[in-house]
Amino acid sequence: GENVEQHPSTLSVQEGDSAVIKCTYSDSASNYFPWYKQELGKGPQLIIDIRSNVGEKKDQRIAVTLNKTAKHFSLHITETQPEDSAVYFCAARPNDGGFKTIFGAGTRLFVKA
Amino acid sequence: DSGVTQTPKHLITATGQRVTLRCSPRSGDLSVYWYQQSLDQGLQFLIQYYNGEERAKGNILERFSAQQFPDLHSELNLSSLELGDSALYFCASSGAAGGAQETQYFGPGTRLLVL
Repeated sequence: GENVEQHPSTLSVQEGDSAVIKCTYSDSASNYFPWYKQELGKGPQLIIDIRSNVGEKKDQRIAVTLNKTAKHFSLHITETQPEDSAVYFCAARPNDGGFKTIFGAGTRLFVKA
Repeated sequence: DSGVTQTPKHLITATGQRVTLRCSPRSGDLSVYWYQQSLDQGLQFLIQYYNGEERAKGNILERFSAQQFPDLHSELNLSSLELGDSALYFCASSGAAGGAQETQYFGPGTRLLVL
């Protein structure tokens, strides 16, 4: 079945450094790739998404890149701040007429002040 | 605040019991999704409803069922509970068309503990 792999599972960076989280997906027909941030005790919150007709999207300090040929996409956070510390999930939505969203296992990001 | 509400926030019950989790979607959203998040399984899609009708099914156990009512709120019923059902249960909603590329907005979740 469809699968999304996410790496690394834990990432620790110094404040001000960049953080990169990578995901690969198995279903080549997937066409929508959201990223969610989950803080302790809260539900996942959408931070950025990208659709399959676009290779890159940026929103202030956050950017996502998509390589459809290689079936992978990445989240880039620049100038990290302590409040960026959270669990980040990537996800892929297969374009199979259904509406399932397959989530990666999550990356716990620690930003050290 | 995503605009999606879930009740209750916490639920403690015993094995073999039945519970009902409730979700109200964002104003105007017709689609509701249910997810289970446990420590060892991550976020697992359970089921989606669109305007009262079941639209997609994921890894939902037969002991679990859901429905969406005419006012668009949804309930997830969990029966014959087992210890392994202890998890966070999230509801999400998305916009009018229920399309595959629509953004999903998550509620704060219900934490279920089965003892």
